[in-house]
Amino acid sequence: DQQVKQNSPSLSVQEGRISILNCDYTNSMFDYFLWYKKYPAEGPTFLISISSIKDKNEDGRFTVFLNKSAKHLSLHIVPSQPGDSAVYFCAAIRNMLTFGGGTRLMVKP
Amino acid sequence: NAGVTQTPKFQVLKTGQSMTLQCAQDMNHNSMYWYRQDPGMGLRLIYYSASEGTTDKGEVPNGYNVSRLNKREFSLRLESAAPSQTSVYFCAGAHGLDTGELFFGEGSRLTVL
Repeated sequence: DQQVKQNSPSLSVQEGRISILNCDYTNSMFDYFLWYKKYPAEGPTFLISISSIKDKNEDGRFTVFLNKSAKHLSLHIVPSQPGDSAVYFCAAIRNMLTFGGGTRLMVKP
Repeated sequence: NAGVTQTPKFQVLKTGQSMTLQCAQDMNHNSMYWYRQDPGMGLRLIYYSASEGTTDKGEVPNGYNVSRLNKREFSLRLESAAPSQTSVYFCAGAHGLDTGELFFGEGSRLTVL
């Protein structure tokens, strides 16, 4: 049973618009939530994280929102750029890091 | 500036053969990890080593063994490969486990026929 789920396998967005990637989790004991970005033939790279005691964290064009009552995490990218096209994994940590299945984002010029 | 280095990058095995995936890091990480990535499944933890001299099972350890040879190196061994172990394998390191920020290698694509 997957504790971290990304229900959208893919998302297509126009350059300059907002990209919203979603993630749901089941374990209310997770301490931190993270987003990783992965390009083809490369390893995942850390993008942004949020502590379970926060509800928002912002880093440049990337903002992560945490809704603990809904057990829902989202990543907003504004404005989206073609270089953002990649697979995005959400992840959560409680003793070990658990990943969602990933969402492929395609940003069209 | 190597970071986390995995070898080999590609390998084809026949069912029943054995092999070892090597991982080395030069970032002074205390903890190291082996994940596998399968379509739609994300990354699943096979084994990890919280510090030199210790190893622990992750989510999907069956069919694998690991060795934390020293602080820099963490190897993953398949004793008798099965087609279900066809996957992309990632090694990662971290200074600690508290915030979840891992540094990944480029991956090793393994095909078992």
